[in-house]
Amino acid sequence: DADVTQTPRNRITKTGKRIMLECSQTKGHDRMYWYRQDPGLGLRLIYYSFDVKDINKGEISDGYSVSRQAQAKFSLSLESAIPNQTALYFCATSDTQQGAETQYFGPGTRLLVL
Amino acid sequence: GESVGLHLPTLSVQEGDNSIINCAYSNSASDYFIWYKQESGKGPQFIIDIRSNMDKRQGQRVTVLLNKTVKHLSLQIAATQPGDSAVYFCAERRAAGNKLTFGGGTRVLVKP
Repeated sequence: DADVTQTPRNRITKTGKRIMLECSQTKGHDRMYWYRQDPGLGLRLIYYSFDVKDINKGEISDGYSVSRQAQAKFSLSLESAIPNQTALYFCATSDTQQGAETQYFGPGTRLLVL
Repeated sequence: GESVGLHLPTLSVQEGDNSIINCAYSNSASDYFIWYKQESGKGPQFIIDIRSNMDKRQGQRVTVLLNKTVKHLSLQIAATQPGDSAVYFCAERRAAGNKLTFGGGTRVLVKP
């Protein structure tokens, strides 16, 4: 079983719709991250969390919100989706007790906003 | 500004040859560097990392070299195999923080 899972794996939505992407991990890590990936731009950090209910903005947080109600889960919401949010979204985890340096990624969610 | 970048967007390599992927960074405060491999349809997978107090680290068929003088990082893959075909990302971490800054990626294509 995968240590970091994301649901859904693919999603098509319309402009203005609210959607939520879920991330779950069985690694027992305390830190979790959400990134988006666009062609040629690598991975950009949206939000991150160091513990339950701890929320921190990344470099591109506008238009997104997150929730960390449990250590194993970190959800990303698009309150009102727009076409330029079409991208590949990745969740990642890291462990403070292991130095928190290496981040482990989920398989990604491909989102298309029409 | 601070950035992590790659010199070559695509690298074609003959199977069995060695591959070298380069990465330039501009933040001299970065203390940790990491290479990820991303295959089509999958998330980035950790390959190897190196701290700024080292200049070389070896793994299985991979070697990372760090030249802090010119702010350059490279990943060497020995005896490249078809399974090495992927996009490779370098990332840096600034000291006293845990956020990683990623480069744009280099695609490696292994020719049979």
